[in-house]
Amino acid sequence: AQSVTQPDIHITVSEGASLELRCNYSYGATPYLFWYVQSPGQGLQLLLKYFSGDTLVQGIKGFEAEFKRSQSSFNLRKPSVHWSDAAEYFCAVGAITGANNLFFGTGTRLTIIP
Amino acid sequence: NAGVTQTPKFQVLKTGQSMTLQCAQDMNHEYMSWYRQDPGMGLRLIHYSVGAGITDQGEVPNGYNVSRSTTEDFPLRLLSAAPSQTSVYFCASSIAGGSETQYFGPGTRLLVL
Repeated sequence: AQSVTQPDIHITVSEGASLELRCNYSYGATPYLFWYVQSPGQGLQLLLKYFSGDTLVQGIKGFEAEFKRSQSSFNLRKPSVHWSDAAEYFCAVGAITGANNLFFGTGTRLTIIP
Repeated sequence: NAGVTQTPKFQVLKTGQSMTLQCAQDMNHEYMSWYRQDPGMGLRLIHYSVGAGITDQGEVPNGYNVSRSTTEDFPLRLLSAAPSQTSVYFCASSIAGGSETQYFGPGTRLLVL
């Protein structure tokens, strides 16, 4: 069965600092992997996704993520965070067969300090 | 293009009451899903549909019913609300399965007393 682990519940970084959010997945085959962002009181917005090809994926808002099969990881990175990046970030793995169902991690809340 | 819309935004129910959460999308997506979001648990799939007339259960289906009579609409029914159903509910749609992006609505916050 699919599962996703986000080991960091809450991360605080200074504005302008680099960011890395961790995500580990469990899946029996090559997964589809997603990062979503949720601003307070809002729905989820897709940042980026991986389904094949280049293991370094570029997304919106300057985010990128790297798929590492050997480590079962799909960590999200940003070289320099902005105050507007404060939000909750969810990693998800998608089922390859059948319906388009996502299995989400528990999320990482990002706080930005001046 | 409104995307995925959900109504109501907020609802308070008493234990045992029933209600329907509405979800609609105007993107002609075949796939639609309902998730619930609880603190510290991420989002969990309740029910999903791969097309009009076709629905199936997700991870946490108990206490919820769905139907899909049109491509656009995918309502979620709570037959007899319980405090354990207090949550934020999100509807999502996508053009197909697999690697396709799911688009989420703004959510419905439900409080069951």
